Amino acid sequence: QVQLKETGPDLVQLTQTLSITCTVSGFSLTTYNVHWVRQPPGKGLEWMGAMWNGGGTDYNSAFKSRLSISRDTSKSQVFLKMNSLQTDDTAKYFCARHEVYYSGDLKDYFDYWGQGVMVTVSS
Amino acid sequence: DIVLTQSPALAVSLGQRATISCKTNQNVDYYGNSYMHWYQQKPGQQPKLLIYLASNLASGIPARFSGRGSGTDFTLTIDPVEADDTATYYCQQSRNLPNTFGAGTKLELK
Repeated sequence: QVQLKETGPDLVQLTQTLSITCTVSGFSLTTYNVHWVRQPPGKGLEWMGAMWNGGGTDYNSAFKSRLSISRDTSKSQVFLKMNSLQTDDTAKYFCARHEVYYSGDLKDYFDYWGQGVMVTVSS
Repeated sequence: DIVLTQSPALAVSLGQRATISCKTNQNVDYYGNSYMHWYQQKPGQQPKLLIYLASNLASGIPARFSGRGSGTDFTLTIDPVEADDTATYYCQQSRNLPNTFGAGTKLELK
């Protein structure tokens, strides 16, 4: 069945770099897109960026040049890397599968999400 | 960026109807589709898709949930509300990048 699982550090030091891996199963990264969404404690959801099935990426400009998304299709993994972390980067980070079409019908939704990984930026 | 505005909270009685609104500052329609989706999130869990493209019920979601709207005004209705529906509900637009979410509406029981 479709699963996504985020793995990464619980704690990152101020100004350091965050690296999170999203390991997927039950679908191919060359067929589906995978997005990253984060959620600070007690707050709402913020879209960070996407790894498209063709290998391209898009980023939320709110993260300027701090954010990088890449993948290893042979390992079914998508990677998030963000540098210059600040305390307001403390959040739960989710990866989510993006289905655009199913059986020829437009969907364009996030249908499966990982459990998320909670990352605290410490000073 | 497209901004989505939701009321922060709503309290309803069991068995009654809950209507959650989401207003956008730009039209999210394109070629006959409204690029608006709704998610439910319970504490400590990931978001769960309820409604896609404004009015389509996602797989496995009970028919008590429905969505409607177009352009800049959208609503999610839960009728009748059950105890398990206490959660935060988010709207999300996919018309333009960046994808954006509303701030969420917390549904509570009276």
